[in-house]
Amino acid sequence: QQQVKQSPQSLIVQKGGISIINCAYENTAFDYFPWYQQFPGKGPALLIAIRPDVSEKKEGRFTISFNKSAKQFSLHIMDSQPGDSATYFCAANSGGYQKVTFGTGTKLQVIP
Amino acid sequence: DAGVIQSPRHEVTEMGQEVTLRCKPISGHDYLFWYRQTMMRGLELLIYFNNNVPIDDSGMPEDRFSAKMPNASFSTLKIQPSEPRDSAVYFCASSLPTVNEQFFGPGTRLTVL
Repeated sequence: QQQVKQSPQSLIVQKGGISIINCAYENTAFDYFPWYQQFPGKGPALLIAIRPDVSEKKEGRFTISFNKSAKQFSLHIMDSQPGDSATYFCAANSGGYQKVTFGTGTKLQVIP
Repeated sequence: DAGVIQSPRHEVTEMGQEVTLRCKPISGHDYLFWYRQTMMRGLELLIYFNNNVPIDDSGMPEDRFSAKMPNASFSTLKIQPSEPRDSAVYFCASSLPTVNEQFFGPGTRLTVL
């Protein structure tokens, strides 16, 4: 019940295209859903996050879409750039608990 | 702020040897986390501390692993004896109690031969 399932495992997108990464969760107690971005040789860093009281959050080219009834959320990267090539992790936690459950990660490659 | 500091950045050791990984969290952060990242298992939480006290060590794989936090600015993760299957990148992260964001260090790449 603590799992966060993420897909796809890897993704190749042309420059300028839209990258979409999907996640699903089971624990209805989760109330905070962050996405982390990790570049090779670096630690993950918070990219964008959403709470379930809204269905969408946008920051620049990055958008989280949230479907509470389906227990799914997704990251959309508009106008994908080679500099966006990284591994993306969805995550979830609940009730102010600092323990975060991470998805398995999606390796994104944006080709020129 | 310098961010989370980890040392060493790379460690190569032989099976059976003791390995100690070190972490200095961001000053003022009350929470400290140790993660392990592998291709097969992704990012796994090993243990986390609040105000230097271990809160949840359910992710520690076995008794060969131990973690300590003697003060607010230092933590260690020790593996004794090390095995080839312990080869991974180990991350330390810290956070404030009022903010959900975790700040990760650069990681320690451990190779056990």
